[in-house]
Amino acid sequence: KAGVTQTPRYLIKTRGQQVTLSCSPISGHRSVSWYQQTPGQGLQFLFEYFSETQRNKGNFPGRFSGRQFSNSRSEMNVSTLELGDSALYLCASSWSGGAANTGELFFGEGSRLTVL
Amino acid sequence: AQSVSQHNHHVILSEAASLELGCNYSYGGTVNLFWYVQYPGQHLQLLLKYFSGDPLVKGIKGFEAEFIKSKFSFNLRKPSVQWSDTAEYFCAVNAYGNNRLAFGKGNQVVVIP
Repeated sequence: KAGVTQTPRYLIKTRGQQVTLSCSPISGHRSVSWYQQTPGQGLQFLFEYFSETQRNKGNFPGRFSGRQFSNSRSEMNVSTLELGDSALYLCASSWSGGAANTGELFFGEGSRLTVL
Repeated sequence: AQSVSQHNHHVILSEAASLELGCNYSYGGTVNLFWYVQYPGQHLQLLLKYFSGDPLVKGIKGFEAEFIKSKFSFNLRKPSVQWSDTAEYFCAVNAYGNNRLAFGKGNQVVVIP
């Protein structure tokens, strides 16, 4: 079974630009979550999508947005990039079965964004 | 909202030494608890998990963790570490039925051969 696939793996942008990151979940997984990982703040939850709807949202500004497609693939977008947005962005997928959901996440290798 | 505390961010030990990493969380309801590991250059991988039942759970590579509800703790242990256990270890918690994980800041563990 293929794992979670994220593209691109590395990218460099300049302040003010925007970026779109892509995530393909494990086949059959309907929930996709995004996390930001930085040395100072650690892993922070951005948002979760399930069946094309945002189900949870973290405490990030509106510059951070996402969406999910009917095939469960997800994209996240960051507009008007700032230096502090430099981070590893991790996507995680999960089978989400309502009350029986255990919340176990399967992570991709991440997209490392550098903002200059 | 849940929060997770991990202490002793940097741990250095020799092979065959015992390892214990502390994890405390704050949340009053039913929780699921996880330890994830991130080896150098690799993605986050699940080490072990607790949902219910026996509070002593065993994971991969000889790791185990004990859930103590009264102390809101989920400490990770390994009796004898190997050089290949060099990695960053993250404790995480979510509310039952919720996919949103709250992570601790991680423990960077270096095992010296």
